[in-house]
Amino acid sequence: AQTVTQSQPEMSVQEAETVTLSCTYDTSESDYYLFWYKQPPSRQMILVIRQEAYKQQNATENRFSVNFQKAAKSFSLKISDSQLGDAAMYFCAYRSAMTKLTFGTGTRLQVTL
Amino acid sequence: ETGVTQTPRHLVMGMTNKKSLKCEQHLGHNAMYWYKQSAKKPLELMFVYSLEERVENNSVPSRFSPECPNSSHLFLHLHTLQPEDSALYLCASSWTSGSGAETQYFGPGTRLLVL
Repeated sequence: AQTVTQSQPEMSVQEAETVTLSCTYDTSESDYYLFWYKQPPSRQMILVIRQEAYKQQNATENRFSVNFQKAAKSFSLKISDSQLGDAAMYFCAYRSAMTKLTFGTGTRLQVTL
Repeated sequence: ETGVTQTPRHLVMGMTNKKSLKCEQHLGHNAMYWYKQSAKKPLELMFVYSLEERVENNSVPSRFSPECPNSSHLFLHLHTLQPEDSALYLCASSWTSGSGAETQYFGPGTRLLVL
């Protein structure tokens, strides 16, 4: 079965600095999708960014970008110019045509002044 | 919160009670999901409905009973729950693509406490 591992339970970053959240996954499939979801303290989970495995180019959404290393099965999230509103739980997730959306255990990001 | 709404937001119930959680999506999607979120555990998929048909039931105990009367509404009926069922229950919706490419949109959740 596919598994998603987030090895950093908590991270902290100063406002305006850059932070990278790590995620690794295990799969034997070649075609799949990877997602980063953000869950602020209000609890509504929202999509931050997604990556198609067949695309070599790393996805970018404003201050959020990923480093997708398919061979290493790694999918890290970089947040640039961190803002107080970025404080949240961040979940990495995997999905394919054959498997349900599978989440990691999450990383709690704190943003300090 | 106009995409996916959930009610109630908080629920306290005894083990002998019967209650229902409600989810409504305003996005025109054709698939809906129930997840259980417990502390320090990955989200657990409970049920999936696609085109109002249940397509997945991940070994969920029968004390949880889902209902999907139409593509916009999803219920989770609860009866004789156990304290370990206390958790945040999240509803989500999406289009069904068949490829896994679809993005799921989540509601704010119902925080359930079973006493």
